[in-house]
Amino acid sequence: KAGVTQTPRYLIKTRGQQVTLSCSPISGHRSVSWYQQTPGQGLQFLFEYFSETQRNKGNFPGRFSGRQFSNSRSEMNVSTLELGDSALYLCASSIAGQGRETQYFGPGTRLLVL
Amino acid sequence: GNSVTQMEGPVTLSEEAFLTINCTYTATGYPSLFWYVQYPGEGLQLLLKATKADDKGSNKGFEATYRKETTSFHLEKGSVQVSDSAVYFCALNSNTGNQFYFGTGTSLTVIP
Repeated sequence: KAGVTQTPRYLIKTRGQQVTLSCSPISGHRSVSWYQQTPGQGLQFLFEYFSETQRNKGNFPGRFSGRQFSNSRSEMNVSTLELGDSALYLCASSIAGQGRETQYFGPGTRLLVL
Repeated sequence: GNSVTQMEGPVTLSEEAFLTINCTYTATGYPSLFWYVQYPGEGLQLLLKATKADDKGSNKGFEATYRKETTSFHLEKGSVQVSDSAVYFCALNSNTGNQFYFGTGTSLTVIP
């Protein structure tokens, strides 16, 4: 079974632009979560989607948004990019989106904002 | 609330040395506990997990035991290899929602 895939793997943007990242979960997994990883803040939860609905959101500004499609694929969008948005963005999927479940991570998208 | 406290790194060991990375947690409810490993330029790979007290997760020679009384989930390996060099993350997922809480990560370097 294929793992979690993320596209693109690398992105370079300039301040003020917007960006869209894509995530395809493991087949049969219905929950998709997004995390931001930076050297200073570590791994921080962005949001979780299940059945096309955002169920849970971390402490990030409204510039960070996402959505999930009927096939469970998910996208996240960051508008009006800031230098501090440079990070590795990780997507994770789990089967039923229940507490205590294992999440499986993709390789990440590395975003550099200049 | 939920949080994970992990041993600060970096850790440098010689090949075949014994490894311990400490991890303690605070959780509302009854969490599952995990260790993930991250190699340079890659995402997180699940190393092992435990879902209830006294469970021992194991994989590739690594072990960790879910200790409810000490709220700990320390990672151990009896004999590390150069290929174990990576960053290790302890994490929990509580029963109150599908959200992971991660420790800060411990960088391990194994030298021949």
